[in-house]
Amino acid sequence: DTEVTQTPKHLVMGMTNKKSLKCEQHMGHRAMYWYKQKAKKPPELMFVYSYEKLSINESVPSRFSPECPNSSLLNLHLHALQPEDSALYLCASSQTGAEVRNSPLHFGNGTRLTVT
Amino acid sequence: AQKVTQAQTEISVVEKEDVTLDCVYETRDTTYYLFWYKQPPSGELVFLIRRNSFDEQNEISGRYSWNFQKSTSSFNFTITASQVVDSAVYFCALRDANTGNQFYFGTGTSLTVIP
Repeated sequence: DTEVTQTPKHLVMGMTNKKSLKCEQHMGHRAMYWYKQKAKKPPELMFVYSYEKLSINESVPSRFSPECPNSSLLNLHLHALQPEDSALYLCASSQTGAEVRNSPLHFGNGTRLTVT
Repeated sequence: AQKVTQAQTEISVVEKEDVTLDCVYETRDTTYYLFWYKQPPSGELVFLIRRNSFDEQNEISGRYSWNFQKSTSSFNFTITASQVVDSAVYFCALRDANTGNQFYFGTGTSLTVIP
C-alpha cells in the first residue's frame, strides 16, 4: 500500500469548472511536491512545499493554485484549465534538510485528469 | 548544471533474458544522490534504490542489481532473468546536496518483457 494517498483517482472537468486534487501523507515528511506527467514523459515538477511554505514554483500558470494546510496535507486547486492540462498529477513527499539529502521521493498513485 | 540521460527509450526482451538499463548523470557537486524508480502501467512511481556519491559499492536485491561507477558517471540497473511483471517505465533520478528539494529525472526507459 502506498503511504501517500491521492484523491480522486480520476477526474474529468470542463474548462470552466473549479476542482481540487488532494494529497495526504503520514510519514512525517516535511517536503511535499506536485508533479505533472504526460504520457511517455518523465514527471515534471510544479511546486514544492518545505515546512508548509512554498519553496519552489516552476513558473506554473496561475490556473493551478497549490495549498499546504498542514504538514500532512497538500492540495492543488484547479480553475479554468485547458485541454492541454490533461495529464497524470502526482503528489510526492520526502524528508528535507541537509542531513537527509539522500531521502527519496515517495509518490502517490496519482490523479488522472481529463479536461474537456 | 544537473542532468540525467537515459539513452534507451524502449527495450524489449524475451522472458528470462537479462537486461541492463543505462543511466548517465552530470553534476558539478561532489556530494549527490542517485535513485531508480519503476512506473508500471498502473501509474504509481515506485522507489527501487538510492545510492550516495561517496558509496560506490554495487548492490544486489534479488533479481535486481545496480552498478555505480563515478569514473564514468553512470548508475546502471540490471534485471536478471526478466519476468513479465518487470514490464514498466524505469526512471533514473539525481538529487544533489546543494539544490535542496530538486530532483532531476531522466527521460525514462520503457521495458517490455515478452512472455
